[in-house]
Amino acid sequence: GDSVTQMEGPVTLSEEAFLTINCTYTATGYPSLFWYVQYPGEGLQLLLKATKADDKGSNKGFEATYRKETTSFHLEKGSVQVSDSAVYFCALSYGGATNKLIFGTGTLLAVQP
Amino acid sequence: SAVISQKPSRDICQRGTSLTIQCQVDSQVTMMFWYRQQPGQSLTLIATANQGSEATYESGFVIDKFPISRPNLTFSTLTVSNMSPEDSSIYLCSAERQGRETQYFGPGTRLLVL
Repeated sequence: GDSVTQMEGPVTLSEEAFLTINCTYTATGYPSLFWYVQYPGEGLQLLLKATKADDKGSNKGFEATYRKETTSFHLEKGSVQVSDSAVYFCALSYGGATNKLIFGTGTLLAVQP
Repeated sequence: SAVISQKPSRDICQRGTSLTIQCQVDSQVTMMFWYRQQPGQSLTLIATANQGSEATYESGFVIDKFPISRPNLTFSTLTVSNMSPEDSSIYLCSAERQGRETQYFGPGTRLLVL
């Protein structure tokens, strides 16, 4: 079945460091890919998405490219801030009548000043 | 995007009781979903709330334990029935407009069962 695998956390970085959170997926079809972020004490927010191979999603300095050949959707940011500290979830879905989101386990990012 | 609210935001309940969680969307949406996030874990889809018909449940979730209603295009409820400590989780509602392929989430309901 379809699944999403994320690198385990926590990831601890200093402010202004480069961030990569790895995400790979297994899919029987051609899903859309998403990154959601959950700040402490809050619900999930959509960070970015890509709907087809080679698409790049971007938002708030974060980027991720849909790589079909490596079945990956790694999240990157060039310079993290303390306010980026959160749990990041990679997810996939197929849309349509049964648009079920399948989530990875989440990666906790802690950015220290 | 859609603005989604949930009530209650948190609750502490005794085992054997039931709790109904409400989800309100600020505009008409095609699809509404209920997820569970157990402590320290990822989100798992419980069911898709269908307007005017019975919800569609994922494997491992049953209607008797998690009855769902969706009387219109902006509102849904999830009931957690006959609760046990294992039901302690965050329950999240999400919504999506047709063709948008993007789900927006409510803030969640934090449930603790003693």
